[in-house]
Amino acid sequence: AQSVTQLGSHVSVSEGALVLLRCNYSSSVPPYLFWYVQYPNQGLQLLLKYTSAATLVKGINGFEAEFKKSETSFHLTKPSAHMSDAAEYFCAVSDGHDYKLSFGAGTTVTVRA
Amino acid sequence: DTAVSQTPKYLVTQMGNDKSIKCEQNLGHDTMYWYKQDSKKFLKIMFSYNNKELIINETVPNRFSPKSPDKAHLNLHINSLELGDSAVYFCASSQSTSGFTGELFFGEGSRLTVL
Repeated sequence: AQSVTQLGSHVSVSEGALVLLRCNYSSSVPPYLFWYVQYPNQGLQLLLKYTSAATLVKGINGFEAEFKKSETSFHLTKPSAHMSDAAEYFCAVSDGHDYKLSFGAGTTVTVRA
Repeated sequence: DTAVSQTPKYLVTQMGNDKSIKCEQNLGHDTMYWYKQDSKKFLKIMFSYNNKELIINETVPNRFSPKSPDKAHLNLHINSLELGDSAVYFCASSQSTSGFTGELFFGEGSRLTVL
């Protein structure tokens, strides 16, 4: 079974500062890893995904994530936060076969002016 | 033009009532899902249909019954509503002809409040 743990339920950053959201995974098979974003009162939207190609994955809105097998991590970063980045961010994992995405508990990002 | 649309967006009802949530996708996808998001924002899959066939049925009370009349629609009917059913229910879809990609397209959610 696959699972993810997101460290930190709430992250607060200043506008222009680095955004770092942590995600560690547990999987018995090579995982497929994802970051989704949920803006207030909206559904989730895919930010980026790792499917065993490049370990550094670039996504939308300037976000990127690095897959580190040795650390079982898939942390999400953005060099410079914008007010519009305020949202809920979910890390998710799949084995690529059973149509199930297992989501982490989410991290709320607030951006201070 | 909304890709995955759910109705209603808000639903307030009394315990014991029966209610339905409808979902439609215009993306041409072959797989649709229902997810439940609780008050702590935790997301859990409930059901999934692939080409109108039920492929995922998690440990959900049998008061919940999904129906997929065609590939573009997936409805959720809930009988005898309980307080614990209060949540946001998300419909999602994906294209799976090359296998499961994990790229889901979500609707905006239907917030169910049971009083």
